[in-house]
Amino acid sequence: DQQVKQNSPSLSVQEGRISILNCDYTNSMFDYFLWYKKYPAEGPTFLISISSIKDKNEDGRFTVFLNKSAKHLSLHIVPSQPGDSAVYFCVGGGGATNKLIFGTGTLLAVQP
Amino acid sequence: KAGVTQTPRYLIKTRGQQVTLSCSPISGHRSVSWYQQTPGQGLQFLFEYFSETQRNKGNFPGRFSGRQFSNSRSEMNVSTLELGDSALYLCASSLDAGFKLEAFFGQGTRLTVV
Repeated sequence: DQQVKQNSPSLSVQEGRISILNCDYTNSMFDYFLWYKKYPAEGPTFLISISSIKDKNEDGRFTVFLNKSAKHLSLHIVPSQPGDSAVYFCVGGGGATNKLIFGTGTLLAVQP
Repeated sequence: KAGVTQTPRYLIKTRGQQVTLSCSPISGHRSVSWYQQTPGQGLQFLFEYFSETQRNKGNFPGRFSGRQFSNSRSEMNVSTLELGDSALYLCASSLDAGFKLEAFFGQGTRLTVV
């Protein structure tokens, strides 16, 4: 049972444009959501989070939007930079089990 | 301060053998969790330890086990290795249990079973 789904395995955007990474979830008990970024040969690093009671959280070029009724969240990166090229994991956390549940990841490629 | 340290970085084992992976969390962090990453599967939660006690467990067979020491260092053991156990094993540490705060990951141990 994939509780967190990232249906796009990859995304390619031009430098300076907006990157939108999408994520759907099935577990309505998540207390919060996180996005992690992972470069090859490195562990994932925390990027941004959002509480389930919020609908938006912004941090510099990164904004996460949460639509609870649709069980959908998205990460917007504006403007995209080549250094943003990495795998992005959508993560649900908290709830009854209090575990971090990772999606399968989306590989973002930002073309110069 | 030093980050999460995992050893070894790379490991090659034969089917049927056992393996022990080590994780040293960030100083002061008491929660350590383990994940398995395989292509197309994302990160699958294995277990979480806090203050030497297993607090949470994922859906993995009993061949996968772990423990945490009084200094918060953790080890993960896989017995009777199978080819499908080939994966990147990631350890994450956080200040408290339950991931109320962000978790910091190590670089992982790449295990190859042949």
